[in-house]
Parts: sequence; C-alpha cells; structure tokens
Amino acid sequence: AQRVTQPEKLLSVFKGAPVELKCNYSYSGSPELFWYVQYSRQRLQLLLRHISRESIKGFTADLNKGETSFHLKKPFAQEEDSAMYYCALSRVRGSQGNLIFGKGTKLSVKP
Amino acid sequence: DTGVSQNPRHKITKRGQNVTFRCDPISEHNRLYWYRQTLGQGPEFLTYFQNEAQLEKSRLLSDRFSAERPKGSFSTLEIQRTEQGDSAMYLCASTNPGENEQFFGPGTRLTVL
Repeated sequence: AQRVTQPEKLLSVFKGAPVELKCNYSYSGSPELFWYVQYSRQRLQLLLRHISRESIKGFTADLNKGETSFHLKKPFAQEEDSAMYYCALSRVRGSQGNLIFGKGTKLSVKP
Repeated sequence: DTGVSQNPRHKITKRGQNVTFRCDPISEHNRLYWYRQTLGQGPEFLTYFQNEAQLEKSRLLSDRFSAERPKGSFSTLEIQRTEQGDSAMYLCASTNPGENEQFFGPGTRLTVL
C-alpha cells in the first residue's frame, strides 16, 4: 500500500537549533517526493521536491531509497519557519499524479 | 490571476442537505484535483480532471459525491445528502504538464450540523 508516515505530530525547537522533520514512505515503484508547507492562515504550498535537489529557505531533503525516507532538515531554525509541514509522494513524475500526503508535523520555533 | 480560488470559503449546512463547491484553477492549467482534509490529517485525494475528463476517482468519493469540469476550466464538487462525517476542508489544486508542483486553493471548510 502507498503510504507516507510522519511520526511526529509536533516538533518544538528553539531559534537557531537544528531541525529535522521525519518522513518515511511505502511505495513499490519510484515515487517522486515533496515537502509542502502551510504557514498560519495561508494556503498549502510547495517547499521542495526531491528531484530538484535544491535548498529552499535553508531547508534540504535527501531521498534515501534504502531507508525509504525523505527527511527535511535545516541547520538553524528561524521563528518564521513555524508552520505545518506535509511530506507527500506522487506516483507519477513531475507532480502530475495525485499526491499522497502524510498527516503532517507542526513545527514550532521558539524565540 | 491570483492563483487557485475556491468558493465559498465556509459552508455550514444541516445533515441531509446538498452542497456545491466551486474551484477556479490557474487559467492555463489543464489538470485539476480535489482533496479532502479532516482535522489532524493530511489532504486525501478525491478525484482529478484533465481538461473536462475526470480521469481518476478515489474510493473516498462515495456515490453522494459528484464532480464536474464541464468546459475544462472551473470545477464543481457536489455532495448530496450531507452527513456529519463530510465535515472537512475541501481543497482544490491545479497544475500543468511540465509544472513541478500542484498549486492549492485556500479551501472550502464544510461543517455539517
């Protein structure tokens, strides 16, 4: 079964601390992995995707096919990073297929 | 074009009533998706269109749900004989071949009393 698991409902860190939001997936093929973010009172938006291998707002995520993980990391958290983060997979290349989301992790960055 | 828009933003209805939501995608996007999000969950896929053709429906989309995209532009999602379990945020997203992301609307929050 296709599934995305985000084990932490809430992650609370202090400003300047490293942050890692965990994501594990279950899929038999080669999915495309994404991180979407929802800031307070804003709509869901793409943060980054694994095939671009880029850093957005200081966040990076590496796809580990052996561990079927796609953890999101940032070395120094900022207060403005506080938001809901959703890991998602697409069965089809290029975000053309429907997305399968995890339950989300709420990141709270304290001053 | 300010992105994907959805109307209404909030809908309160009584159990058994029918409701209809509208989604206007980004104008040049030919793919349109509907998702449902309940409290504490991530969005769950309901259905998607390419132009006016409905290409896939989730098992979550019971017979009481129907979606249309008659001219390949805006889409409507209708729920007949609403139940309390239908209370959720209904999200719409759109994209195009070659796009790297789905662009989401603000959602319609449905409350069934």
